[in-house]
Amino acid sequence: AQRVTQPEKLLSVFKGAPVELKCNYSYSGSPELFWYVQYSRQRLQLLLRHISRESIKGFTADLNKGETSFHLKKPFAQEEDSAMYYCALRDSGGSNYKLTFGKGTLLTVNP
Amino acid sequence: GAGVSQSPSNKVTEKGKDVELRCDPISGHTALYWYRQRLGQGLEFLIYFQGNSAPDKSGLPSDRFSAERTGESVSTLTIQRTQQEDSAVYLCASSYRTGTDTQYFGPGTRLTVL
Repeated sequence: AQRVTQPEKLLSVFKGAPVELKCNYSYSGSPELFWYVQYSRQRLQLLLRHISRESIKGFTADLNKGETSFHLKKPFAQEEDSAMYYCALRDSGGSNYKLTFGKGTLLTVNP
Repeated sequence: GAGVSQSPSNKVTEKGKDVELRCDPISGHTALYWYRQRLGQGLEFLIYFQGNSAPDKSGLPSDRFSAERTGESVSTLTIQRTQQEDSAVYLCASSYRTGTDTQYFGPGTRLTVL
């Protein structure tokens, strides 16, 4: 069964510092990985997906199949990045609509 | 346009009572999902509806849980004889067509079973 692990429940950085939110997964097939974000009092929304290979709000994430990781990075954190971040994996097989989520990391960017 | 809406936003009930949670997907979205998020946990998949196809109910935790969807519109998640472990935030999402399209989430219903 697939599993997504986010080892840090809480992460606190100062504005302007680099930030990396870790995500590791276990999956026997070829996964599709996502990062979702939930800002305070807002709904969960997609931040980025690995197949797009794009940078959103300065965030990037590279799928490393060797290390089974999909860490989210930003070189210079901003206060508005403070939010809950969830890593998610989608089944590439017949049930390719199911998302498996990690438990989330609460990022706080201090001024 | 309007996003996914859910009602009620909060529900407090007593153990043993039945509850019904409602989800209105984005208009035109044929796929609809229910997830559960217990405190400190990630989202757990519960059920998936796609058009008129038979739903995937494989994530429902027990036979006390059921869900229905009327055509390609409103869905209701029913929990019978609620237990304290059912306390969670129940999230609904919809996507345009298939499960590979981006899922748009509603604000959730916070269920508390006393």
